[in-house]
Amino acid sequence: AQSVTQLGSHVSVSEGALVLLRCNYSSSVPPYLFWYVQYPNQGLQLLLKYTSAATLVKGINGFEAEFKKSETSFHLTKPSAHMSDAAEYFCAVSVNDMRFGAGTRLTVKP
Amino acid sequence: NAGVTQTPKFRVLKTGQSMTLLCAQDMNHEYMYWYRQDPGMGLRLIHYSVGEGTTAKGEVPDGYNVSRLKKQNFLLGLESAAPSQTSVYFCASRRGQGAYEQYFGPGTRLTVT
Repeated sequence: AQSVTQLGSHVSVSEGALVLLRCNYSSSVPPYLFWYVQYPNQGLQLLLKYTSAATLVKGINGFEAEFKKSETSFHLTKPSAHMSDAAEYFCAVSVNDMRFGAGTRLTVKP
Repeated sequence: NAGVTQTPKFRVLKTGQSMTLLCAQDMNHEYMYWYRQDPGMGLRLIHYSVGEGTTAKGEVPDGYNVSRLKKQNFLLGLESAAPSQTSVYFCASRRGQGAYEQYFGPGTRLTVT
């Protein structure tokens, strides 16, 4: 069975700083990986997904993630944080069913 | 396309009352899901459906029932609400498994007093 672990339930960065949200997965077969964002009082929206075409995946709002098989990781990054990036971020892994991580709440300080 | 819609957006119930949450999608997706989201616990799968007329239990199915009589609709029922069912409920749909992403509705905030 597949699973995903998000390291750090809360991450705080200053505006303009690098954003790094960590996700490690466990899967016995090559997985598909996803990052979702949830803004307050809204549903989840897809940021990006890895489907084995390229290991570096670019998503919306300047986010990207790199699939590293040797590290079983799919960390989400953004070079420069913006106040509007404050939200909760979920990593998910899919072989057949989709399994979500517990989420990381990102705070951006002015 | 409206995507995934949920009705109602908010509801307050008294313990023991019943209600039905409606999820509708206009993307012709086969798969539909009901999750609950509680602080610090992420998303937990309640029930899901892999096609019209089919339903299956997820991680936390107790106290809930579902029906998928039409492909575009997925109903979540609470027969006798309990305070432990106070939560935000999200519906999602998906075209297929594997590489396909889930599309989420805006959520229903339910309070049981």
